Amino acid sequence: SQTIHQWPATLVQPVGSPLSLECTVEGTSNPNLYWYRQAAGRGLQLLFYSVGIGQISSEVPQNLSASRPQDRQFILSSKKLLLSDSGFYLCAWSVLGQGRGDTFFGQGTRLTVV
Amino acid sequence: AQSVTQLDSQVPVFEEAPVELRCNYSSSVSVYLFWYVQYPNQGLQLLLKYLSGSTLVKGINGFEAEFNKSQTSFHLRKPSVHISDTAEYFCAVSDGGSEKLVFGKGTKLTVNP
Repeated sequence: SQTIHQWPATLVQPVGSPLSLECTVEGTSNPNLYWYRQAAGRGLQLLFYSVGIGQISSEVPQNLSASRPQDRQFILSSKKLLLSDSGFYLCAWSVLGQGRGDTFFGQGTRLTVV
Repeated sequence: AQSVTQLDSQVPVFEEAPVELRCNYSSSVSVYLFWYVQYPNQGLQLLLKYLSGSTLVKGINGFEAEFNKSQTSFHLRKPSVHISDTAEYFCAVSDGGSEKLVFGKGTKLTVNP
């Protein structure tokens, strides 16, 4: 069966420090991968999505970047964190073309920038 | 562009009462519709989805939703809620082509004893 791992679960970082959040998927090949952010009162916002290795699309301009060095690995990064980067970050995957429209989410990372 | 509106940010109900969480969407193309549930500090779990066919969709935990194309709505219902249903519920839409989801802002359901 397919599983998605996301870590760390919680993170407290000072303003101006770098960030690296990692997500890996098991049990599937060539998934679409996504990073969403959930900020208080704002619902879930799609930040990045990837349809393959090295292929990243950014949905909103921001202080963050994403990379996909391997088929089932998706990394969210920042060189210098801002207070506004605080939030709950969710990694997700889906397989295009299966016709079911299912997207599966990791357990999330709670990031607090202080 | 697609958008989703969840009309209620918070819904308090008593245990064993019925509940309806409202969701309206806008889209210029045919869409897939979803309801997800999120328990505190956890990821999202799929409750149910509408892809095509019957407009009444049944999901897990006794929830159901009805797709109404003329009213562009996809309201979530449960006839009798439990304390364990306390969570945040998100309605989402995708166009089925990219499978990118557009979410509403969520509805916090609180079930009181």
